[in-house]
Amino acid sequence: DAGITQSPRHKVTETGTPVTLRCHQTENHRYMYWYRQDPGHGLRLIHYSYGVKDTDKGEVSDGYSVSRSKTEDFLLTLESATSSQTSVYFCAISTDVRPQHFGDGTRLSIL
Amino acid sequence: GDSVTQMEGPVTLSEEAFLTINCTYTATGYPSLFWYVQYPGEGLQLLLKATKADDKGSNKGFEATYRKETTSFHLEKGSVQVSDSAVYFCALSDGNSGGGADGLTFGKGTHLIIQP
Repeated sequence: DAGITQSPRHKVTETGTPVTLRCHQTENHRYMYWYRQDPGHGLRLIHYSYGVKDTDKGEVSDGYSVSRSKTEDFLLTLESATSSQTSVYFCAISTDVRPQHFGDGTRLSIL
Repeated sequence: GDSVTQMEGPVTLSEEAFLTINCTYTATGYPSLFWYVQYPGEGLQLLLKATKADDKGSNKGFEATYRKETTSFHLEKGSVQVSDSAVYFCALSDGNSGGGADGLTFGKGTHLIIQP
């Protein structure tokens, strides 16, 4: 989507390695989110941010950390990737009145 | 906590058939309700929303009415097309602005297949 860019779009890595996914927005939206999508689970919230350096945990935050040093960038880090973290990861953005708008996703495979 | 329940499918219909995808929710307070659609290989797109009881969201021939008494937000379309084949997600957020900091709680998604 034009307002949200996720990178990389695809990544294959090995168990135990660190991985960082990036979400970049050009909309100047205050709120940013990371979700993971798995078959049979829909989307589940990992972490979210309500401003620069302000973040909080979601439903499935174990094993993940985030950082937001600039309004436009929200990073998701897997410190030591495990096979259970193989998933499709989506970033989303919103404002106080605008619903969440999603990026195109990052497909992460951990072997 | 909040939860959303929807039929998972796959739901298979013929072109021009009437569509209903059921969605019910559990939430405290007065949530906002959403339907998102995901086409193969893509992210989620907002299809429609409703932020208070009895509101009707509509877009592209799809409709859903926020029913507080039955805690439901069923998605309907009068005549489906092959191009409507996708996965549909019902979701809610706390608060009635439609936006805000709260993350969305999603149903598991309904895979819709429309045959010519």
